Amino acid sequence: GQNIDQPTEMTATEGAIVQINCTYQTSGFNGLFWYQQHAGEAPTFLSYNVLDGLEEKGRFSSFLSRSKGYSYLLLKELQMKDSASYLCAVVDSNYQLIWGAGTKLIIKP
Amino acid sequence: DTEVTQTPKHLVMGMTNKKSLKCEQHMGHRAMYWYKQKAKKPPELMFVYSYEKLSINESVPSRFSPECPNSSLLNLHLHALQPEDSALYLCASSQELTSTYNEQFFGPGTRLTVL
Repeated sequence: GQNIDQPTEMTATEGAIVQINCTYQTSGFNGLFWYQQHAGEAPTFLSYNVLDGLEEKGRFSSFLSRSKGYSYLLLKELQMKDSASYLCAVVDSNYQLIWGAGTKLIIKP
Repeated sequence: DTEVTQTPKHLVMGMTNKKSLKCEQHMGHRAMYWYKQKAKKPPELMFVYSYEKLSINESVPSRFSPECPNSSLLNLHLHALQPEDSALYLCASSQELTSTYNEQFFGPGTRLTVL
């Protein structure tokens, strides 16, 4: 079967750094996306990894290890507006997005 | 224009009503998707259209009927829904269905309540 695991909820402090992990077991791998979703809103694209390594984009970075079936999203200099759910999604061998259940990130002042 | 639009934003309907959700994109994307999302759950794929043809139907009940009139438009026709169908319905589009880099652009969603 296909499986993507993320922590259900995380709490961090404004200005700090937080790392959200994602492990996956899927039938094939054609890339991994991270999306951000605020409550009641649509998911918005954050990052895409298909090769091993770190992709940096401003305050957000995403890392991938294909051999370990592992990715993380790193958020720096946290702001209150970063309070949202973060969804990890893997593109499988049929080019379908397999979604993790999402990690709810709570930022405290 | 990098936007996917959806109408209506909110919809309340009875179990005997017939209604339609609409989705539009003008990015030249050839793949369009309908997702259903319940609170605190990830999006659940319902249908995928590729080049205006239905490519994937994830065993969705027939009370949901998709339609793709042209490459920019996607409809979801609703009939005889159940209260458990209440959810956020998301439309998305991507350049191609079978592409490694297949970023999906999401519309704002329709919040559906079935009474």
